[in-house]
Amino acid sequence: ELKVEQNPLFLSMQEGKNYTIYCNYSTTSDRLYWYRQDPGKSLESLFVLLSNGAVKQEGRLMASLDTKARLSTLHITAAVHDLSATYFCAASYNQGGKLIFGQGTELSVKP
Amino acid sequence: DAGVIQSPRHEVTEMGQEVTLRCKPISGHDYLFWYRQTMMRGLELLIYFNNNVPIDDSGMPEDRFSAKMPNASFSTLKIQPSEPRDSAVYFCASSTGTLRAFFGQGTRLTVV
Repeated sequence: ELKVEQNPLFLSMQEGKNYTIYCNYSTTSDRLYWYRQDPGKSLESLFVLLSNGAVKQEGRLMASLDTKARLSTLHITAAVHDLSATYFCAASYNQGGKLIFGQGTELSVKP
Repeated sequence: DAGVIQSPRHEVTEMGQEVTLRCKPISGHDYLFWYRQTMMRGLELLIYFNNNVPIDDSGMPEDRFSAKMPNASFSTLKIQPSEPRDSAVYFCASSTGTLRAFFGQGTRLTVV
């Protein structure tokens, strides 16, 4: 059974600092996703990673995938308050079916 | 496209009543997912469909829960009878399978 674990679950950062969120998954997955959720809102898709070594970047966020280690990372560069949200990773197999989410990482960026 | 549309956005019902949540996926998407989100259990996949056919319902918590997808543009999740522990935010999502899943705004269910 596919399981997805994130760490840390809570992250308090200062503006301008860098940090990384880690996402481990238990079995072979054919794709890895990152989502953002603001309080009381829906989930917004950030990245889809489809192959080993894949790297995607948008703004201050960069996601990468190591399928051999079953690990994805979300790196935050020079954090700003607007990045405060909960970030989820999700893994799937069967070509997109059965999308399983991690517990989420609640990120708080303080001035 | 308007995205994934869920209704109602909020539902308050009394224990024992039947609750029906509705979802209209994005046109052209052949996968549809129902998730439940709570503080304690996070995001749980309840059931997903491919081409209107239920593929995996192993996440459906009890027989009180049922889901249908009569056509490519509509799905329902029904709880009968509802219980207070069913209180959660229920999300519907759709995808083409090869790309990212898009989520609806969710239905916040409160069972009193």
